[in-house]
Amino acid sequence: RKEVEQDPGPFNVPEGATVAFNCTYSNSASQSFFWYRQDCRKEPKLLMSVYSSGNEDGRFTAQLNRASQYISLLIRDSKLSDSATYLCAVNTGGTALIFGKGTTLSVSS
Amino acid sequence: EPEVTQTPSHQVTQMGQEVILRCVPISNHLYFYWYRQILGQKVEFLVSFYNNEISEKSEIFDDQFSVERPDGSNFTLKIRSTKLEDSAMYFCASSATASPNSPLHFGNGTRLTVT
Repeated sequence: RKEVEQDPGPFNVPEGATVAFNCTYSNSASQSFFWYRQDCRKEPKLLMSVYSSGNEDGRFTAQLNRASQYISLLIRDSKLSDSATYLCAVNTGGTALIFGKGTTLSVSS
Repeated sequence: EPEVTQTPSHQVTQMGQEVILRCVPISNHLYFYWYRQILGQKVEFLVSFYNNEISEKSEIFDDQFSVERPDGSNFTLKIRSTKLEDSAMYFCASSATASPNSPLHFGNGTRLTVT
């Protein structure tokens, strides 16, 4: 059973579109949740933490559903520069972050 | 903005050789990590380190791997006898605290190629 699962995509959307990604996690004791962005062959960069009440940062909105054990990321008004792989990461209480394999987004003009 | 820096950016080595990957974490961070990413695969946790001790390690981090903080700034990962399957991107990361809510800051990685 995979700990953190994501739809690999790719999601191909035009500029200006709204796109949403989901991520499911298997460990109900998971404590904290993050979305990272990774460009091709680069390091993961923190996009946003995910809080229980949901949180927004500009065009990005993250939500957590503990009952169903998933987190989501919504991107509004997609830009060309949003093209990347979006990694879901979960902390289950230790020091390790468990990553999903990522969802690839391609935004075209 | 402070950064985690890693050297070298690319390391090519022969099977069976020892390699040392180097990292300089963000200066006021206290917790250090190594992750790896095999091409096309997910980012995988290797080890966390605090106060000159390993805090946690994964099953990947076997006896061939070791970490060290030899001075006040560097944090190294040593692979004693490399195998072909060790070929991957190795990312160092640091965080200010060990709180589960404390985000990790990753370095730009070292691409290790074992031939």
